[in-house]
Amino acid sequence: GQSLEQPSEVTAVEGAIVQINCTYQTSGFYGLSWYQQHDGGAPTFLSYNALDGLEETGRFSSFLSRSDSYGYLLLQELQMKDSASYFCAVRVSNRKLIWGLGTSLAVNP
Amino acid sequence: EAGVVQSPRYKIIEKKQPVAFWCNPISGHNTLYWYLQNLGQGPELLIRYENEEAVDDSQLPKDRFSAERLKGVDSTLKIQPAELGDSAVYLCASSTAGLIYEQYFGPGTRLTVT
Repeated sequence: GQSLEQPSEVTAVEGAIVQINCTYQTSGFYGLSWYQQHDGGAPTFLSYNALDGLEETGRFSSFLSRSDSYGYLLLQELQMKDSASYFCAVRVSNRKLIWGLGTSLAVNP
Repeated sequence: EAGVVQSPRYKIIEKKQPVAFWCNPISGHNTLYWYLQNLGQGPELLIRYENEEAVDDSQLPKDRFSAERLKGVDSTLKIQPAELGDSAVYLCASSTAGLIYEQYFGPGTRLTVT
């Protein structure tokens, strides 16, 4: 089968750094995507890692280790507006994306 | 550039009634997806189109759900008859060919079946 695991909830304070992990067991692997979804909103694409290593985009970074079937999303200098759900999604083929259940991030003042 | 457009945003119907959702993808995106999302869950793919061809509809409950994408642009998802368990948010997304990992979503339609 295919499975993605990520924590259901994470809490942090403004200005802090938080890491949201994603481990996967899939029959194929092309890459790992991250999406953000605010309450009542649509998922928005954040990043995609096909190769091992860290990709940085502003305050957000995403990391992938293919050998460990593991990735994470790193959010720095947290702001209240970062409170949202974050989904990892694995591209298992050219035509299929498998979604995790999401991590609800609460940023407190 | 306009994003993915969906309508209606909200729909309340009684069980056994039909309902239809409409989606207009980003211009130039030939791949279109319909997802179902329950509260606290990730999106679940219902159907994926490449141009006008449905290339993955394995998760679409075909006894009551149907979809079409005439001319490879707009798409409509229909439920007939609706059941209580169909209450969810129905999301439409689109992407360019090959970029399945970078999808752009519409605001969704929140369906309530009473």
